[in-house]
Amino acid sequence: DQQVKQNSPSLSVQEGRISILNCDYTNSMFDYFLWYKKYPAEGPTFLISISSIKDKNEDGRFTVFLNKSAKHLSLHIVPSQPGDSAVYFCAASDASGAGSYQLTFGKGTKLSVIP
Amino acid sequence: DAGITQSPRYKITETGRQVTLMCHQTWSHSYMFWYRQDLGHGLRLIYYSAAADITDKGEVPDGYVVSRSKTENFPLTLESATRSQTSVYFCARSGGGGRKQYFGPGTRLTVT
Repeated sequence: DQQVKQNSPSLSVQEGRISILNCDYTNSMFDYFLWYKKYPAEGPTFLISISSIKDKNEDGRFTVFLNKSAKHLSLHIVPSQPGDSAVYFCAASDASGAGSYQLTFGKGTKLSVIP
Repeated sequence: DAGITQSPRYKITETGRQVTLMCHQTWSHSYMFWYRQDLGHGLRLIYYSAAADITDKGEVPDGYVVSRSKTENFPLTLESATRSQTSVYFCARSGGGGRKQYFGPGTRLTVT
């Protein structure tokens, strides 16, 4: 049972436009969400996070929106740049129990920004 | 700099062989993790460790063994490698506030 879902395996966007990457989750105990960016042959790098007490978090060109009632979050990149081309992973964490530092990842969305 | 090193970066081994993937953090953060990344599956947790001598299973632990005698090292051993364990393996550590994890560069393992 996949608890974190990224239903779009890939996304292509023109340079300068907005990229919107989506993520859905099923576990209502998740209370912290993260986005990671991964280039080929490198490890994932942390991009931005959001706690469930917020509905928006912004860091430069990157904004994450959280809709708890819909169990949905999205990552907006504005404006998109060719260097943003990478695989983006959505991850979620549940504060309860011994696994509070565990992250559950989605399968990733490959973003291609076309110059 | 994530402060995590992994070795080797690339490894080819034969079915049935034992192989150990090394992970070292330059800090002394408590939690360390091992993931595997496979096409169509994203990142899946194999094992994690909350501190030295404390380890626990993740989502896909079968066929793997871990140890953590020192806080900074967290090796992953495949006791008898199988072709299904061909994958890219990532080690990660906690730290930096919140529940962020910081990843190493990965080890690409091929089992022939």
